[in-house]
Order: sequence, then C-alpha cells, then structure tokens
Amino acid sequence: AQSVAQPEDQVNVAEGNPLTVKCTYSVSGNPYLFWYVQYPNRGLQFLLKYITGDNLVKGSYGFEAEFNKSQTSFHLKKPSALVSDSALYFCAGQSPANSGYALNFGKGTSLLVTP
Amino acid sequence: NAGVTQTPKFRVLKTGQSMTLLCAQDMNHEYMYWYRQDPGMGLRLIHYSVGEGTTAKGEVPDGYNVSRLKKQNFLLGLESAAPSQTSVYFCASSAPGLAVFEQFFGPGTRLTVL
Repeated sequence: AQSVAQPEDQVNVAEGNPLTVKCTYSVSGNPYLFWYVQYPNRGLQFLLKYITGDNLVKGSYGFEAEFNKSQTSFHLKKPSALVSDSALYFCAGQSPANSGYALNFGKGTSLLVTP
Repeated sequence: NAGVTQTPKFRVLKTGQSMTLLCAQDMNHEYMYWYRQDPGMGLRLIHYSVGEGTTAKGEVPDGYNVSRLKKQNFLLGLESAAPSQTSVYFCASSAPGLAVFEQFFGPGTRLTVL
C-alpha cells in the first residue's frame, strides 16, 4: 500500500511568489502519486500524476511536481502564485489492483494566496 | 457529457433514519468509489466497485452498504444513520487499461445526521 503525508495544514504565499506544497510518501514498490485540488464546495480536480520517468511532472493550471526518490517526496510547485490558486490541495498514493486502485489521501493542505 | 453526478447535494437526517446516495457516471468507467471527507482527515475510502455486480470494502465500511446493479450507477446506503456519519461524501470513477489512472470526482453530498 502507498501512504502519503502532508506536513503542513496551511501554506500562505503572496501573489506572484513561487509556491510549494509538500508531500512525502511511504510505499512498498513503485510509487504512483497524484495531486488533486479542491475549490470551496466543489469536488476534487486532478492536477497531475507521477508514474515513472521524468522526476519533474507538469500538470494543469501551471502546476508541476518534483518527485525525489531519495527524500521520498513529491512536492507540488508553481513558479508564480495566483489568488485564484487558493484552495485545498491533496496528495494521494494509489493502492494496488487488489484494492481496486483506490487512492490513499493525505490530510490536505490549505493554500492561501494573498494579493 | 456530465461526468460524475451525485444526488442529493445536501441532506439532513435524524439518528436512525436511512437514506441512499446515488452516484452516476456517463464515461463508461468500470471502477467506482465512495469516499468520505472529514475535516483534517483527507478523504477515506468507504467501498469500491471494479465492475457491474461487484463491490468491496474500503478503509471505513462500517455502517454503509453499496450496490452496483448497473455499470453507470453506484449507490451508497445508510441503514441507520449515526451522528458519526455526518460528513461530505464523494463518488469517483476511473477507467481500467492503464496501471495508473486518474479518478474523476463528483461534486459531493453534504450529509448531516442530528
């Protein structure tokens, strides 16, 4: 099984500054990792995923994530934050086939981008 | 293409009442999931289905039942609601064929049990 942890409950950043939302993982085998975003009163939207290959994964809305095997991390990044990026962000690891490929979510990190 | 839809959007129940949450997807996905979201706990898997007529338990299945009679629908039932089941419930679906694939989420059902 793949478990993930998000060490920060909240991240605050000024508009225009780079942002990082942290995620660490613990897996037995190859990690399959995801980032999702949830805007207020909405469902979750897929941002990006890591399977294998390039350690830098590019996703939707200008987000990217850096996979680091030695640090067992999969941090979400964006070079220049927008106020509209303010939302709840979830990191998730995928369970194997015998668990239906279900996602194991972190607790979520609330991102607040101030003007 | 509506994606994943959930009915109802909001519901208030009294302890001991029963209800069914309906999830429908029009993407012909084989896999469907029910999660619950509680503050500070992320999303936790209740039940899932890998195809029509099949269901399996997830991390927190107690107090819930599910059925997948049609490929496009996945029902979540609460036979006797308890205040601990106050939560936001999300349905998701995904397609097989790849080792790793994204899940598509519905808008959620906010349930309050008094």
